[in-house]
Amino acid sequence: GDSVTQMEGPVTLSEEAFLTINCTYTATGYPSLFWYVQYPGEGLQLLLKATKADDKGSNKGFEATYRKETTSFHLEKGSVQVSDSAVYFCALSKSTNTGNQFYFGTGTSLTVIP
Amino acid sequence: DTAVSQTPKYLVTQMGNDKSIKCEQNLGHDTMYWYKQDSKKFLKIMFSYNNKELIINETVPNRFSPKSPDKAHLNLHINSLELGDSAVYFCASSIWTSGATGELFFGEGSRLTVL
Repeated sequence: GDSVTQMEGPVTLSEEAFLTINCTYTATGYPSLFWYVQYPGEGLQLLLKATKADDKGSNKGFEATYRKETTSFHLEKGSVQVSDSAVYFCALSKSTNTGNQFYFGTGTSLTVIP
Repeated sequence: DTAVSQTPKYLVTQMGNDKSIKCEQNLGHDTMYWYKQDSKKFLKIMFSYNNKELIINETVPNRFSPKSPDKAHLNLHINSLELGDSAVYFCASSIWTSGATGELFFGEGSRLTVL
């Protein structure tokens, strides 16, 4: 079945370090891919998305490229800040006859220290 | 104006009690969901409704009963609460377009603690 596998955490980085969180997926058809972020005590919010192969999603200095050949959607940021400390979820969605189905990875906790 | 709102935000109750969590969205979406997030942040889909019709009903104890009075509301009622029901419950919504997928919009979550 469809699924998402993402890098286990927790990840701890110093401010201004480079971030990569790996995400790979298994899916039939043409899913859309997402990264969601959950700040402490809050709900998940969309960080970025890509709807087809080779699309690059970007937001707030984060980016991820939809790679169909490697079934990956790795999240990267060149220079992290303390405010980026959160849990990051990779997800995919597919449209079916009865609605959208979403599949989430297990989440990766990021802590950025000054 | 909050897009997806859930009430209550916190709920502390005793084992065996019955409780409800309400969810409302003002985005005009046609699909609503309930997710359960455990202490390790793992997200599990529980239910999905499209235009008030139940679409997804994952392996969830039948003590959990969703109700969708209209497209904008999806409530979750839980009977005979157990310790293992302690979690954060998230409501979410999306718009369904054939052949394309919209993103999920989440509420802020309802933290349920069963004592």
